[in-house]
Amino acid sequence: DAKTTQPTSMDCAEGRAANLPCNHSTISGNEYVYWYRQIHSQGPQYIIHGLKNNETNEMASLIITEDRKSSTLILPHATLRDTAVYYCIVRVAGNAGNMLTFGGGTRLMVKP
Amino acid sequence: SQTIHQWPATLVQPVGSPLSLECTVEGTSNPNLYWYRQAAGRGLQLLFYSVGIGQISSEVPQNLSASRPQDRQFILSSKKLLLSDSGFYLCAWSPTRPSNQPQHFGDGTRLSIL
Repeated sequence: DAKTTQPTSMDCAEGRAANLPCNHSTISGNEYVYWYRQIHSQGPQYIIHGLKNNETNEMASLIITEDRKSSTLILPHATLRDTAVYYCIVRVAGNAGNMLTFGGGTRLMVKP
Repeated sequence: SQTIHQWPATLVQPVGSPLSLECTVEGTSNPNLYWYRQAAGRGLQLLFYSVGIGQISSEVPQNLSASRPQDRQFILSSKKLLLSDSGFYLCAWSPTRPSNQPQHFGDGTRLSIL
């Protein structure tokens, strides 16, 4: 699976949009981009995933560049409960044995 | 909707004692099931995965084992725990189809070996 690079930490004001970038310059054509977050002492929570088109759900939006070498997770109106470590993962679909490889992630701190 | 349950939430066990962690999924059938371990401040390590009843694949050789006695039940076991078995154990599930669907995690079991 392709390696990802994320900033170590970011701050965001409550109520503002949080934009979390991820670089995956070696991504292959059959690799999806997945985003998870983990709040301390809890299991990772799935947020969103995509292949090449932008995606939106009730939690967030995912913007993938045309060359697919980077993506941005957008939390449109961050709340204090969005404070967590956010992980960007690229993974080939189709093989149940493909583990999720979590890198260091971005520690997002939402401040009042 | 689908839910995943893991228990216990925390566990303190002496070295050499046995282990049994249980995970069940509701609201779906024939899911892929996974056991991961997360060491403090580090990423996830896939321990076992299962694509069906009685079908277990091991990713890392160790003194742990897994079983899937029922379609939506996944059990992690050990006959004799080691100090190095301490960690945060996570169960996850994913649909079999389509293959790009994400894995969904339980709340985890924090295991401390004394």
